[in-house]
Amino acid sequence: EAGVAQSPRYKIIEKRQSVAFWCNPISGHATLYWYQQILGQGPKLLIQFQNNGVVDDSQLPKDRFSAERLKGVDSTLKIQPAKLEDSAVYLCASSLPQKGHGGEQYFGPGTRLTVT
Amino acid sequence: AQTVTQSQPEMSVQEAETVTLSCTYDTSESDYYLFWYKQPPSRQMILVIRQEAYKQQNATENRFSVNFQKAAKSFSLKISDSQLGDAAMYFCAYRSDYGGSQGNLIFGKGTKLSVKP
Repeated sequence: EAGVAQSPRYKIIEKRQSVAFWCNPISGHATLYWYQQILGQGPKLLIQFQNNGVVDDSQLPKDRFSAERLKGVDSTLKIQPAKLEDSAVYLCASSLPQKGHGGEQYFGPGTRLTVT
Repeated sequence: AQTVTQSQPEMSVQEAETVTLSCTYDTSESDYYLFWYKQPPSRQMILVIRQEAYKQQNATENRFSVNFQKAAKSFSLKISDSQLGDAAMYFCAYRSDYGGSQGNLIFGKGTKLSVKP
């Protein structure tokens, strides 16, 4: 079974530039998550999708971050314009959606973003 | 809002010895899940062990076991017979079983575990 795929693995940009990250979840996983992990901290949820609908984006800085999940499969996360404090690893995860299932989240390798 | 606290930024253990990583959490909910995730350097996060709050029995997975104290809101991870490959960041995480964000994991800041040969 293929795992969660993410690209690119590394990205360096200058502040005020834009960047996009791509995620392909495990086949059949309806729920997809984007987390931001700043160095020395645990991951923090940015946005959660159920199929192609947003379940929770309360911690997404909507003035600069946007995300979409077309056709309920792949997802892209965009930052425009980037700030220095956006330097972090962006993790994508997917899971089965059943309530009470305790559904394990499977994580991708992450994209390490450096904003200079 | 739920919070997860890991009070040990770093821990060290001798190979083949046992180590315990601490985690406390705060919630007003009665149904939830607790997890320990392992994140090796430059590698992706993987699930180590899971505990359902309604289960009194502590979860075990081979050399990994937890001490779940629901009343005290404590969830520690014990690694027995530590191996060099256990060296990693370990994150404690909470997952609600309520509402639309029921899948959302809330992580602690992590504990960096070093294993000495």
